[in-house]
Amino acid sequence: GAVVSQHPSWVICKSGTSVKIECRSLDFQATTMFWYRQFPKQSLMLMATSNEGSKATYEQGVEKDKFLINHASLTLSTLTVTSAHPEDSSFYICSASAPGQGLGETQYFGPGTRLLVL
Amino acid sequence: QQQVKQSPQSLIVQKGGISIINCAYENTAFDYFPWYQQFPGKGPALLIAIRPDVSEKKEGRFTISFNKSAKQFSLHIMDSQPGDSATYFCAASVKYGNKLVFGAGTILRVKS
Repeated sequence: GAVVSQHPSWVICKSGTSVKIECRSLDFQATTMFWYRQFPKQSLMLMATSNEGSKATYEQGVEKDKFLINHASLTLSTLTVTSAHPEDSSFYICSASAPGQGLGETQYFGPGTRLLVL
Repeated sequence: QQQVKQSPQSLIVQKGGISIINCAYENTAFDYFPWYQQFPGKGPALLIAIRPDVSEKKEGRFTISFNKSAKQFSLHIMDSQPGDSATYFCAASVKYGNKLVFGAGTILRVKS
């Protein structure tokens, strides 16, 4: 149980284009989803927290107009990187939590999406 | 005060040995302390977690030791295996299901 998927797993795009990454909780309803980015050999950096049906809360220093987050349902959140540039190349990971559904208070992570902007 | 400090940065252990990774925190409001294992190119996977009302939790070869007064917690991997070679992250959060603060990570290599 508590499986989180991401799509795509790999994406290569040209500078200036937008890229959408999907995060799905497959066997539970995620009341809260989190988006992280991770650079090589570094820790996870939280970008934003989203709750179903409400606006995402962004961490300090994260541009909300560049990283659009939509949490349209209890099983789906999307991250859109708008006008991507090479410095946006990174490993993007989502996680989901479902307090009160017998899954404890932990976050369950997706497999990550590798973004390369040329 | 939101930081979680993790050490060492990297660790090499012989097969069958004990791997020990330490974390320290300042925020006494933290009440949930998970450990995650991450393989290259993959998302982190929950290994084991502890609440501050217990001093130790064991699951298979993995044990968390928790010292509330010292604000420290550690992961012990007994009988370490080459398949345990990965990056390990400690984390902490305040309240139920809230955002996690991660340590910097420890790259573990188990030599066969």
